[in-house]
Amino acid sequence: KAGVTQTPRYLIKTRGQQVTLSCSPISGHRSVSWYQQTPGQGLQFLFEYFSETQRNKGNFPGRFSGRQFSNSRSEMNVSTLELGDSALYLCASSLAPGQGGTGELFFGEGSRLTVL
Amino acid sequence: GNSVTQMEGPVTLSEEAFLTINCTYTATGYPSLFWYVQYPGEGLQLLLKATKADDKGSNKGFEATYRKETTSFHLEKGSVQVSDSAVYFCALIDGVSGGSNYKLTFGKGTLLTVNP
Repeated sequence: KAGVTQTPRYLIKTRGQQVTLSCSPISGHRSVSWYQQTPGQGLQFLFEYFSETQRNKGNFPGRFSGRQFSNSRSEMNVSTLELGDSALYLCASSLAPGQGGTGELFFGEGSRLTVL
Repeated sequence: GNSVTQMEGPVTLSEEAFLTINCTYTATGYPSLFWYVQYPGEGLQLLLKATKADDKGSNKGFEATYRKETTSFHLEKGSVQVSDSAVYFCALIDGVSGGSNYKLTFGKGTLLTVNP
């Protein structure tokens, strides 16, 4: 079974630009979450999607947005990039409780964003 | 709100030494508890989990017991190997049942280095 796939793995942008990151969950997983990882703040929850609906959102500005498609694939977008947005962005998929999920998240390898 | 506190690193041990990484939590409900591990350049992998009080999670020689009375979930291994060198994250998730949202709260992470 293929794992969670994130693209691109690495990217470099300049301040003011925008970026879109993609995540393909494990087949059959309908819940997709996004996390930001930085040395200073650690792992912080961005948002979670289930059946194309955002169910929960972390404490990030509106520049951070996401969506989920009918095939459960998800994208997140960051507009008007700032230097502080440089981070590893991790996507995770999971089975929902109704599917027998127990809260275990399966993570991708992440997309490392550098903002210059 | 929920929070996870784990011991500050880095932790440096010799091969075959005993490992303990302390983790305590604050949660409003009855959380499930996890230890995730991140090897260099990779995403997070679930190491072990416990979903209710007094449960013991175990995997690859690592163990942790869900202690509700002390709100703790300390990670232990009797004999570490060089290959165990990684960052370890304690985490909790609230409201797994009933279709609630999957939002993991992570500790800051503990870097473990095992020397030969």
